[in-house]
Amino acid sequence: SQTIHQWPATLVQPVGSPLSLECTVEGTSNPNLYWYRQAAGRGLQLLFYSIGIDQISSEVPQNLSASRPQDRQFILSSKKLLLSDSGFYLCASSPRTNTGELFFGEGSRLTVL
Amino acid sequence: AQSVTQPDIHITVSEGASLELRCNYSYGATPYLFWYVQSPGQGLQLLLKYFSGDTLVQGIKGFEAEFKRSQSSFNLRKPSVHWSDAAEYFCAVASWKNNDMRFGAGTRLTVKP
Repeated sequence: SQTIHQWPATLVQPVGSPLSLECTVEGTSNPNLYWYRQAAGRGLQLLFYSIGIDQISSEVPQNLSASRPQDRQFILSSKKLLLSDSGFYLCASSPRTNTGELFFGEGSRLTVL
Repeated sequence: AQSVTQPDIHITVSEGASLELRCNYSYGATPYLFWYVQSPGQGLQLLLKYFSGDTLVQGIKGFEAEFKRSQSSFNLRKPSVHWSDAAEYFCAVASWKNNDMRFGAGTRLTVKP
């Protein structure tokens, strides 16, 4: 099965500062990759998904961007954080064979002050 | 696009009692349906999934779910709840083509001793 590594696990950043959350995947090749945000009591919101290197779809207009410089690396970034960017960010991966199942990382908690 | 509704935000049951968590989905074709569980501060773990075939699917930890196309539902059940089942539960729907899994808002389960 796949293993998803996310870091940092927690992050406290001031408004207007940049952001970089990193996710790497082990145990599979050419996976589909996802970034979700989980706000308190609001479930998971799909932010970005990627079917290959430099192939990224954005689901909602926002202050964030994503990049996939390598097959098993997915990065979530922002140039200037907003208060509303606070939340729990989850990276997920699904195999190319598309069983539909997602494998999740442990998450990164971002607090913007 | 597909969507998921979990009508119950929070459910409390006594240990040993039966459990049913509701999930309704909206999707034009045959969906891929999932239930995930999330412990506090953790990523999500797959409990079970439905792709096709038998509409009653068995998962880990003694959970099962039944796909009812006529009701657009995929309710999660467990005959006897354990204190360790306290967590947040997410229903999700995915389509084969889009590779984008949509989650419900989640149901938080509290287990009383």
